[in-house]
Amino acid sequence: KAGVTQTPRYLIKTRGQQVTLSCSPISGHRSVSWYQQTPGQGLQFLFEYFSETQRNKGNFPGRFSGRQFSNSRSEMNVSTLELGDSALYLCASSLVQGKSGEQYFGPGTRLTVT
Amino acid sequence: AQSVTQLGSHVSVSEGALVLLRCNYSSSVPPYLFWYVQYPNQGLQLLLKYTSAATLVKGINGFEAEFKKSETSFHLTKPSAHMSDAAEYFCAVIGGSQGNLIFGKGTKLSVKP
Repeated sequence: KAGVTQTPRYLIKTRGQQVTLSCSPISGHRSVSWYQQTPGQGLQFLFEYFSETQRNKGNFPGRFSGRQFSNSRSEMNVSTLELGDSALYLCASSLVQGKSGEQYFGPGTRLTVT
Repeated sequence: AQSVTQLGSHVSVSEGALVLLRCNYSSSVPPYLFWYVQYPNQGLQLLLKYTSAATLVKGINGFEAEFKKSETSFHLTKPSAHMSDAAEYFCAVIGGSQGNLIFGKGTKLSVKP
């Protein structure tokens, strides 16, 4: 079974631009979560989608948004990019939503904002 | 609120030596605990998870972890380190009401030949 895939793997954007990242979960997984990883803040939860609905949200500004499609694929969007948005963005999928779900991570998208 | 603390941001061992990576949790309810590993330029791979079925949990690549409620700990061990174990290791707990992962700051493991 194919793992979680994320596209693109690397991205360079300019401050003020917007960016869209894509995540395809493991086949059959309906929950997709997004995390931001930076050297300073570590791994931080952005949001989770299940059955096309945002079920949980971390403490990030409204510039960070996401959505999930009927095939469980998910996208996250960051508008008005800031230098501090430079990070590795990780997507994780799980079979079920909630406390017991093991999460399987993709390789990440490394975003550099200049 | 649930949280995890990893003691030691960097651990160095010799090949063949015992690996011990420390994680303490804070949780008001029985926790779901996880260890993940991240190799350079890759995502996170699940090593093992604790879900209250057994206190000693065996994972992949020879790793195991023991849940100790009295010490609020979930330390990761491996009897004999291999060069291929060099990576960053993250302890995580399910937090919040909806089940998102809360990660520790990570411990970078170096293995000397």
